[in-house]
Formats: sequence, structure tokens, C-alpha cells
Amino acid sequence: DGGITQSPKYLFRKEGQNVTLSCEQNLNHDAMYWYRQDPGQGLRLIYYSQIVNDFQKGDIAEGYSVSREKKESFPLTVTSAQKNPTAFYLCASSIAQGAGETQYFGPGTRLLVL
Amino acid sequence: DQQVKQNSPSLSVQEGRISILNCDYTNSMFDYFLWYKKYPAEGPTFLISISSIKDKNEDGRFTVFLNKSAKHLSLHIVPSQPGDSAVYFCAASEGGSNYKLTFGKGTLLTVNP
Repeated sequence: DGGITQSPKYLFRKEGQNVTLSCEQNLNHDAMYWYRQDPGQGLRLIYYSQIVNDFQKGDIAEGYSVSREKKESFPLTVTSAQKNPTAFYLCASSIAQGAGETQYFGPGTRLLVL
Repeated sequence: DQQVKQNSPSLSVQEGRISILNCDYTNSMFDYFLWYKKYPAEGPTFLISISSIKDKNEDGRFTVFLNKSAKHLSLHIVPSQPGDSAVYFCAASEGGSNYKLTFGKGTLLTVNP
């Protein structure tokens, strides 16, 4: 089955610790995205990547880092510089043909700070 | 500054009736609009989209209307079912080489049996 997988479903972070959230897709999509959702808020874009080995900052990139070494994978690292990391993190992908993009989402990872 | 606004945080309707969810936008460069449905602790599921060259798009029980002059779109669900109870997000993009989606804050729809 084609789709987007995110792991783990829940992740706990200690103060000062970096943690990495996994996102994998087998849809052969070129573009991938990371969003953050906080209670009562819409989704806010952290980083996005249109092709392998290239990525751009979104609206709230501070305290996060990403890599795109493979088309299928777009891991997100939440660094110790992110002062309020508790949130629901969503990964998405799209074909990236230009106008009329539909993004498809994974099931999400909830990050909690101990 | 919110470019996509969903001014109703919640909406409650009876099963079988019509649900109308509204969305306003301020960025005149937006030319592609989407609606997503989201259950708690799950990723959003794509529902329906509309390009700015159209004013209506229909898919089964779901219809999206776009009024470009008013910078307003709406999602109609007819008939509403209890399984439709979820948070609905409106999203928009500028298209072209810009793949970014801008989301509203969502509207919680509750369909009562």
C-alpha cells in the first residue's frame, strides 16, 4: 500500500536533548513537508523540500533541522534550541507539479517534554 | 497576520441536514484551495479542492464553492452524517513554483444523531 509513515507515534524528550522524527513515503512524491499543530491552531509549516538534497525554511523553522538525502525520507530533528517543542508533528508529501498541489499527510507524531 | 481565516471554531448540525463550513482569505495570489478533515491524534485527510478558475467543485456529498471577488470559500456537506464529526481545515496555495499551503485554524463539526 502506498502512503506516508511517521514514527514513533509518541516521543518523549528530556530538557536539552535533540530528538529526530521519522517520515517515509512510498508515493514517489518529489516534495515533502513538516508541519506543527498546537491545540486550537492550524498547521504551521516548519520546513519543506521540493527535491532531494534541497530544502527551505517554512514559517517556524527556528529550533528545527531537516535533511533530504533520499526521495523517500525527510527526517525532522527537534533541537534543544526549540524552547516549546510539545506539539503534534505532521509530515506531508505532494507530487510537486506546480499549480494545484494536494498534500497528503502521515498519521503524526506527538512530542512531549519530560 | 492570518491569511486564511475560519471564523467559526465550532459548528453543530443534525444528522441528515446540511453542514456549511466557511473560510475567508486575504492573499489575492492564492489560486488553489483545499479542505482537509482531521480526527484527533491523526493526520489530516484530503477531502476536496478547487482551482481559482472554477467556482464550484462537487464530489459525492461534498461541494466546495469559491467566490473570488469576496475571497470566500465554503464547504457543503449534504446529508451530514455522524461520521463527519471532525475538525475541518481550509488551506490555500499560490500555486506555480510555490508549494506551500497556508492553513486556517479549523472548525470543529459535530453531527448529532
